[in-house]
Amino acid sequence: SQQGEEDPQALSIQEGENATMNCSYKTSINNLQWYRQNSGRGLVHLILIRSNEREKHSGRLRVTLDTSKKSSSLLITASRAADTASYFCATATGGGNKLTFGTGTQLKVEL
Amino acid sequence: EPEVTQTPSHQVTQMGQEVILRCVPISNHLYFYWYRQILGQKVEFLVSFYNNEISEKSEIFDDQFSVERPDGSNFTLKIRSTKLEDSAMYFCASSEQQGGNTIYFGEGSWLTVV
Repeated sequence: SQQGEEDPQALSIQEGENATMNCSYKTSINNLQWYRQNSGRGLVHLILIRSNEREKHSGRLRVTLDTSKKSSSLLITASRAADTASYFCATATGGGNKLTFGTGTQLKVEL
Repeated sequence: EPEVTQTPSHQVTQMGQEVILRCVPISNHLYFYWYRQILGQKVEFLVSFYNNEISEKSEIFDDQFSVERPDGSNFTLKIRSTKLEDSAMYFCASSEQQGGNTIYFGEGSWLTVV
């Protein structure tokens, strides 16, 4: 399998519910970044978590990182219809900034 | 909030033609990147650029591609002899530093090769 794989591939929830997306990776990382992409649009940066961090929050977003399991999760609380988008994790390895993206989770939040 | 801007937002070109995609990175950023996303596929790294030279490139970034920073603000990706399989969204990105900094992406340039 590849560096940066998200699951589930697709997630459909009701507005107000929480959404959890997971990302697994294979090699040691420097940091992991989560991005959102609305259909046909650019990549919006959400959160960066470094390899020595375990949890970060930003508004309704909570990201965890477990380097022993080589996995990360993104939790969106109290979801809104506007959160409907694809969410990608991207890992940076070594000293550089080259990001390796996952396959993404398509989140649909229904009213 | 500062942002990476890209032009054109969409370009249609004939197979075999040359295309130049333009980007204005965030002004105090030193590292610049191009990524691409073929429809329905992962975002893929193409190249990183620092101090007026390529610092890293992927296998995709062959002799058909080149990058340039022609002045103090623009960063361009040139694709020569375009092929149908070059059709993709091309993203420019920039970051302040290397190693552990947030990478900010532009809205992308859709390239359609016909």
